[in-house]
Amino acid sequence: AQTVTQSQPEMSVQEAETVTLSCTYDTSESDYYLFWYKQPPSRQMILVIRQEAYKQQNATENRFSVNFQKAAKSFSLKISDSQLGDAAMYFCAYRTTYNQGGKLIFGQGTELSVKP
Amino acid sequence: EPEVTQTPSHQVTQMGQEVILRCVPISNHLYFYWYRQILGQKVEFLVSFYNNEISEKSEIFDDQFSVERPDGSNFTLKIRSTKLEDSAMYFCASSAGWQPQHFGDGTRLSIL
Repeated sequence: AQTVTQSQPEMSVQEAETVTLSCTYDTSESDYYLFWYKQPPSRQMILVIRQEAYKQQNATENRFSVNFQKAAKSFSLKISDSQLGDAAMYFCAYRTTYNQGGKLIFGQGTELSVKP
Repeated sequence: EPEVTQTPSHQVTQMGQEVILRCVPISNHLYFYWYRQILGQKVEFLVSFYNNEISEKSEIFDDQFSVERPDGSNFTLKIRSTKLEDSAMYFCASSAGWQPQHFGDGTRLSIL
């Protein structure tokens, strides 16, 4: 069974600085999707970025980028030029490509605070 | 941009009562999901639904739970006899196959 681990329960960053959130996962599958979701205090679940395992190029969405290391089963999220609105819980998630309607498997989350 | 909508936003129910949580997925999506998040914990998968039947369910999704798509737009989660430990945020999500899942804003369920 696949597992997702986020070993940093809390992280803090100064506004305008860069922060990296860590995520590792375990799977025997060779192809899969990885995601980062943001959950602000309102508790919505907002997709931040996704990575397809067969793509070697790291995904980027504006200030958000990932460092995908397939061999190490590592998928970290880098937030550049951090803003106050980035403060939230961040969840790393895994999804199989075995079937189209595959479930998301989430990590425990990292609470990010942004200091002005 | 199309959204997944969930109602109600907050439901308070007495233990032992039945509760129905409602969701309207994005109209052209075919895959529907329910997830649960107990306060302070990670998001957990409950069930996925496709072509009018359950495609996968977790150990959490026992006989107390059921899902239904009663018409062409709604997707519901029913808990037959609620327990204190059912208190959680319940998220509905939908997807168009390989595309990422889109989540609703959640229903906060409080069992007294």
